Amino acid sequence: EAQVTQNPRYLITVTGKKLTVTCSQNMNHEYMSWYRQDPGLGLRQIYYSMNVEVTDKGDVPEGYKVSRKEKRNFPLILESPSPNQTSLYFCASSSQPPGAGTSQETQYFGPGTRLLVL
Amino acid sequence: GNSVTQMEGPVTLSEEAFLTINCTYTATGYPSLFWYVQYPGEGLQLLLKATKADDKGSNKGFEATYRKETTSFHLEKGSVQVSDSAVYFCALSVYSGYSTLTFGKGTMLLVSP
Repeated sequence: EAQVTQNPRYLITVTGKKLTVTCSQNMNHEYMSWYRQDPGLGLRQIYYSMNVEVTDKGDVPEGYKVSRKEKRNFPLILESPSPNQTSLYFCASSSQPPGAGTSQETQYFGPGTRLLVL
Repeated sequence: GNSVTQMEGPVTLSEEAFLTINCTYTATGYPSLFWYVQYPGEGLQLLLKATKADDKGSNKGFEATYRKETTSFHLEKGSVQVSDSAVYFCALSVYSGYSTLTFGKGTMLLVSP
């Protein structure tokens, strides 16, 4: 089954304690991205990756890091989490990047990770 | 820059009512337009899309037409069901230096029996 998986699904942590949220896709997609969803703000892109070892900032990258060592995995790293990073996080992937104007640009989303930073 | 504006919710309807959720956009270039749906506790799923002007996307009884002249992509359904209760997001993509989906803030739809 084609899917995007994220772990953990729920996480409660404290300020400053490093954490990693994993994202994995089994569709051989080149493009992957991370979003955060906050009430009244919709989804905002944090980082994206066009391919292995190619990553770039989205709209709200501050306080986050990513890596893309393998095509299927795109972990999101919070080196020193703060309460304003409490949010619902989604990973997504697609064969081609948004803006390609083809059916392959459709993004597939993971189930989400709900993070609470105390 | 690119932006998407959609009507604020919640939209509350009775079963079998007609649904319209308005979406307008601003974008440089020629965007692709999408509607995503998020059911409670789940991730986003693509509902429909359109990649060029006058295209109509449709799925599960929902429709939306890409109107370049009014920069709109309104979502419609002729007869909603309780199971349609969800949050609906309008989004656009256009390559303008970097690739991203730009989302609206979402519209919650509540359908009562």
